[in-house]
Amino acid sequence: GEDVEQSLFLSVREGDSSVINCTYTDSSSTYLYWYKQEPGAGLQLLTYIFSNMDMKQDQRLTVLLNKKDKHLSLRIADTQTGDSAIYFCAESSNDYKLSFGAGTTVTVRA
Amino acid sequence: DAEITQSPRHKITETGRQVTLACHQTWNHNNMFWYRQDLGHGLRLIHYSYGVQDTNKGEVSDGYSVSRSNTEDLPLTLESAASSQTSVYFCATQYLGGGELFFGEGSRLTVL
Repeated sequence: GEDVEQSLFLSVREGDSSVINCTYTDSSSTYLYWYKQEPGAGLQLLTYIFSNMDMKQDQRLTVLLNKKDKHLSLRIADTQTGDSAIYFCAESSNDYKLSFGAGTTVTVRA
Repeated sequence: DAEITQSPRHKITETGRQVTLACHQTWNHNNMFWYRQDLGHGLRLIHYSYGVQDTNKGEVSDGYSVSRSNTEDLPLTLESAASSQTSVYFCATQYLGGGELFFGEGSRLTVL
């Protein structure tokens, strides 16, 4: 949706780090999410961060949140070919609905 | 294991026909959502429900309707299919108190 924006494409070399960026407009967002979609499949939750946190790390994934700038990023360390997918940023506020960005297609090249 | 089943997974129909996409969940979640996915637009919310007999319009609800007669099912009906409704449709569920969405595998609809 228009309230969440992210770049559409990212190409990264295998073994490098990937960084996917997202901006949102709703200052009342409570949770922010990163979902992964592989070809022909539904979306699966990768990780999420509560709005009062500024960083969350989960194995190869690091989420950074700058609430002042309404900027969210997802860093994938040591990117592998299995990380090739579409990554969606999403935010929710008190009404439980999630608003999604357009998705970033990540291509991992050898 | 709990799951969300969408059917049909693929459908081709003609302009003007009525189409119903089924969504059945065994998570026992109160909240259910229908999204459509289009290139460049991401996922846009069509309709959603917070429980039996509750339905609400999302940002792109024109031409679509839903009904919620039980916890498990939220069918999406296109009253008179249009070519602009060619898309991939995703059903999702959520706990009563909010949080992450759990998605089905999607239904690809082509309207000729």
